[in-house]
Amino acid sequence: KNEVEQSPQNLTAQEGEFITINCSYSVGISALHWLQQHPGGGIVSLFMLSSGKKKHGRLIATINIQEKHSSLHITASHPRDSAVYICAVPPKALSSGSARQLTFGSGTQLTVLP
Amino acid sequence: DAMVIQNPRYQVTQFGKPVTLSCSQTLNHNVMYWYQQKSSQAPKLLFHYYDKDFNNEADTPDNFQSRRPNTSFCFLDIRSPGLGDAAMYLCATSRELQGISPLHFGNGTRLTVT
Repeated sequence: KNEVEQSPQNLTAQEGEFITINCSYSVGISALHWLQQHPGGGIVSLFMLSSGKKKHGRLIATINIQEKHSSLHITASHPRDSAVYICAVPPKALSSGSARQLTFGSGTQLTVLP
Repeated sequence: DAMVIQNPRYQVTQFGKPVTLSCSQTLNHNVMYWYQQKSSQAPKLLFHYYDKDFNNEADTPDNFQSRRPNTSFCFLDIRSPGLGDAAMYLCATSRELQGISPLHFGNGTRLTVT
């Protein structure tokens, strides 16, 4: 089973600050997911990446496969970015027909103050 | 446009009274998942469908059942809800299995058991 660690667990920032959330995992993977969960409970998939870097608006996700590490960056943070950010990885071992249940990190609670 | 829709948003049921949660998708994805998420915990996969093939996670209680009458709809039936079943229930879809396709989540149904 892949061990997934996220840091920090909680993060408070002032509006406009640059945010970095980190995710490390123990076993090589084919892809990593970054998810956002707002207080209401719904989850939004932000990125799925297997190498390099992806950018969407003010969000940037990077992954270093060799170091087994990924980061999520938020530029010019805004109070509406306040949410829990979760990284998730599938297990490496293939099992025919398996959903390859994702292993979720513990989440980073981000609060952006106006 | 909402692509994965869960109804109802909030559901209150009595102890032991069967309840059904619904999920629909407009993405024509092969895979539909049901997750259970309790407070401050990561989502836990209950089961998934790949097309019509149903796959139960080993630790999903028998009290939880699912139906997928067609590609677009999937239902979660809780036959005799207990207090411990109070949680957020999340439906998700993906084009393919194995965690290598992006996931699309609904807004969830928050279940309260009285």
